Amino acid sequence: GQQLNQSPQSMFIQEGEDVSMNCTSSSIFNTWLWYKQDPGEGPVLLIALYKAGELTSNGRLTAQFGITRKDSFLNISASIPSDVGIYFCAGQGPAGNQFYFGTGTSLTVIP
Amino acid sequence: DGGITQSPKYLFRKEGQNVTLSCEQNLNHDAMYWYRQDPGQGLRLIYYSQIVNDFQKGDIAEGYSVSREKKESFPLTVTSAQKNPTAFYLCASSMGSEETQYFGPGTRLLVL
Repeated sequence: GQQLNQSPQSMFIQEGEDVSMNCTSSSIFNTWLWYKQDPGEGPVLLIALYKAGELTSNGRLTAQFGITRKDSFLNISASIPSDVGIYFCAGQGPAGNQFYFGTGTSLTVIP
Repeated sequence: DGGITQSPKYLFRKEGQNVTLSCEQNLNHDAMYWYRQDPGQGLRLIYYSQIVNDFQKGDIAEGYSVSREKKESFPLTVTSAQKNPTAFYLCASSMGSEETQYFGPGTRLLVL
């Protein structure tokens, strides 16, 4: 199965800093999703993107659907300790029958 | 409260045993999915079902079986044929196969 390239693999940042992570694919996707997972829990949906070029915000989080349809970006502004967790991207291709997941970005916020 | 529930939270299996993981949703979603998560890897699809009484193999179906007798339930059986079953198992559901997926809290399976 296809896997998405997600980077960086891990990040250690100071509280208050902004965070950027991205996800790339060799295939075109019609939908990009961003999830956050706390240890021992299921992923929780943060943002869903359905159109190339789309920029969507959810509080301090902003995500973009890349214009090439092969990438997506997630930014977190003014990080706080509860932002700690693993962030996953997921993409769905034109066939529409399966989502493919990135390997995750582990975020640590230092107070 | 609408949502997806998985039970148990932790499950222990002896060598050669079959075990069944439960997944229930009351969201009236047609599609349900089972994923396996290993450390440092993304989620890998085991099986999915787009409608009652129908299911399809995902990327890593060997050693697993499922059933979809009711819309709200999609149990996963980890058989003795699965040689490396220790992992975190996640169930998800969506309105349709092209819709956003929502996840349950997961079941951690450990082999003794």
